[in-house]
Amino acid sequence: GIQVEQSPPDLILQEGANSTLRCNFSDSVNNLQWFHQNPWGQLINLFYIPSGTKQNGRLSATTVATERYSLLYISSSQTTDSGVYFCAADRAGGTSYGKLTFGQGTILTVHP
Amino acid sequence: NAGVTQTPKFRVLKTGQSMTLLCAQDMNHEYMYWYRQDPGMGLRLIHYSVGEGTTAKGEVPDGYNVSRLKKQNFLLGLESAAPSQTSVYFCASRKSGTSYISNTGELFFGEGSRLTVL
Repeated sequence: GIQVEQSPPDLILQEGANSTLRCNFSDSVNNLQWFHQNPWGQLINLFYIPSGTKQNGRLSATTVATERYSLLYISSSQTTDSGVYFCAADRAGGTSYGKLTFGQGTILTVHP
Repeated sequence: NAGVTQTPKFRVLKTGQSMTLLCAQDMNHEYMYWYRQDPGMGLRLIHYSVGEGTTAKGEVPDGYNVSRLKKQNFLLGLESAAPSQTSVYFCASRKSGTSYISNTGELFFGEGSRLTVL
């Protein structure tokens, strides 16, 4: 199956700093999503982005499908951004039925 | 609009007991999934369904059974619980098909069910 690798595994920031999280995947993808798991364990959709660039407030994401990576940008970080960020993808071709494979996550801690 | 709802939210079992987790979605999604999340790991797919009356195995199906008798519900069963099944379980659903423009294919998760097997 597809391999999804995220970096860095941990990230500590001061409030107001910017950061970039990376997701590498081993095959062409139909679907790529970024999620934020908050300290209460809820998984929140950030971006559905199999290709191209999207922005939502302080967050933006870019997927370069031909080079098999995606980036999540967080600008002017806030303490509420803390949590775990997951990238997940399903392999293109055949009948994957949207079965997402998750990376190991990036643990983000934002200090006031 | 409730989205994806899981019950129960918490459960403690003894080894060998059985239980069923219920997932309900009100978005008329065709595809539904059960994932488990263990400490320090990402989510792993247990079973999935692409429509009413259909189920299929995911990455870690052993020890679990599923049923999808109605389109809106996806049940996950543990027939004889083991301590290795202590985990947080997440249900998810999405529409079939893929469209970047309309976000078709976006996966939506429930809030999770924390299961402890003693």
